[in-house]
Amino acid sequence: ILNVEQSPQSLHVQEGDSTNFTCSFPSSNFYALHWYRWETAKSPEALFVMTLNGDEKKKGRISATLNTKEGYSYLYIKGSQPEDSATYLCAFYNQGGKLIFGQGTELSVKP
Amino acid sequence: DAGVIQSPRHEVTEMGQEVTLRCKPISGHDYLFWYRQTMMRGLELLIYFNNNVPIDDSGMPEDRFSAKMPNASFSTLKIQPSEPRDSAVYFCASSRDTPGATNEKLFFGSGTQLSVL
Repeated sequence: ILNVEQSPQSLHVQEGDSTNFTCSFPSSNFYALHWYRWETAKSPEALFVMTLNGDEKKKGRISATLNTKEGYSYLYIKGSQPEDSATYLCAFYNQGGKLIFGQGTELSVKP
Repeated sequence: DAGVIQSPRHEVTEMGQEVTLRCKPISGHDYLFWYRQTMMRGLELLIYFNNNVPIDDSGMPEDRFSAKMPNASFSTLKIQPSEPRDSAVYFCASSRDTPGATNEKLFFGSGTQLSVL
């Protein structure tokens, strides 16, 4: 069974705070690590797809890093805004050919 | 492009009835995925297709579930007979290439909220 673990499960921050959360995945047979943003009543939308150890991706105030040797990825949000409130999902793709999602980190940003 | 289109948005049915969920992937996308979202298990992969061929259906919970993709622009997920524990949001997603390839992301439909009474 492939386990993708995300922590924390939920996070409450004030507007302007910077925050980060973690995705842990099996380090063997790694192909890709995806991050998705899922707002309430909408569909998940892709943020990043990372495939190489040491990859760093950035989109506005959001960035992500990848360590395939130890099996983790971090997602950072700089200066959180209320519109960043969403569930952030990571998903792991390995040689088996399946994209397996973690349970997500629910972020709430208070004005 | 209109994105991945799922129908219906909401389905309420009684236990024992047949339920059919529909999905139209983005044109040109070779991969199609069916996921189920529940509080307990999160987003679970049920089955995925490559070029209309089912590749892995090991996530399909039991024989009551079946999925087809008769052509590149249409897929169905059928539950017969439905049970209350099937109540969940069912998402269809598509991608141009394998999600293991660089920059290949999934595009999700809006989901079908299924309630089995």
